[in-house]
Amino acid sequence: DAGITQSPRYKITETGRQVTLMCHQTWSHSYMFWYRQDLGHGLRLIYYSAAADITDKGEVPDGYVVSRSKTENFPLTLESATRSQTSVYFCASSASGSYNEQFFGPGTRLTVL
Amino acid sequence: AQTVTQSQPEMSVQEAETVTLSCTYDTSENNYYLFWYKQPPSRQMILVIRQEAYKQQNATENRFSVNFQKAAKSFSLKISDSQLGDTAMYFCAFMKHAGNNRKLIWGLGTSLAVNP
Repeated sequence: DAGITQSPRYKITETGRQVTLMCHQTWSHSYMFWYRQDLGHGLRLIYYSAAADITDKGEVPDGYVVSRSKTENFPLTLESATRSQTSVYFCASSASGSYNEQFFGPGTRLTVL
Repeated sequence: AQTVTQSQPEMSVQEAETVTLSCTYDTSENNYYLFWYKQPPSRQMILVIRQEAYKQQNATENRFSVNFQKAAKSFSLKISDSQLGDTAMYFCAFMKHAGNNRKLIWGLGTSLAVNP
């Protein structure tokens, strides 16, 4: 399917476990982003990537790791999940043109027990 | 650092009426983009409208229009002829126009309820 997809859509895990959230886009967009959305905080940028093999920290990167070996994929890994990482996670992508619109995936609701 | 403020956490409007959502921002930049995104109960984030700061003309997309006041650093969203499907969280966002920068600065959102 064309567009941007995230998997899983829902995930329950336990404190201390490693979790990987997947993001895949079919537009060959250069830019990809990971956000978390929490009540009272809006959307906060975790990591972003300007191209394959180029990543950079956002506002709240601690506890997360990203990689981008292929343009279309941008996985987010929680190395040792904590309860404070319970959130809804959104992946987004953007073309390199001037309009800069970000297209969002459907989100992953992660619960850390 | 740039900040975006949405001063109305919740709003409601009757179907078919007009509502305006407020957004102010703080920046020392001269060139930038502003966006309104909508997040309905489905959770999907959808772009509603965007404005480039160098354009004086206010952006319009069907029933959605903005009132962009650059000097006042204000970017309000007007929804005309409100429909039940407009019920959603609305987020205002700012992006500095600088090279490869694509980072959005987000407001905390306004929850809009359209009542029948």
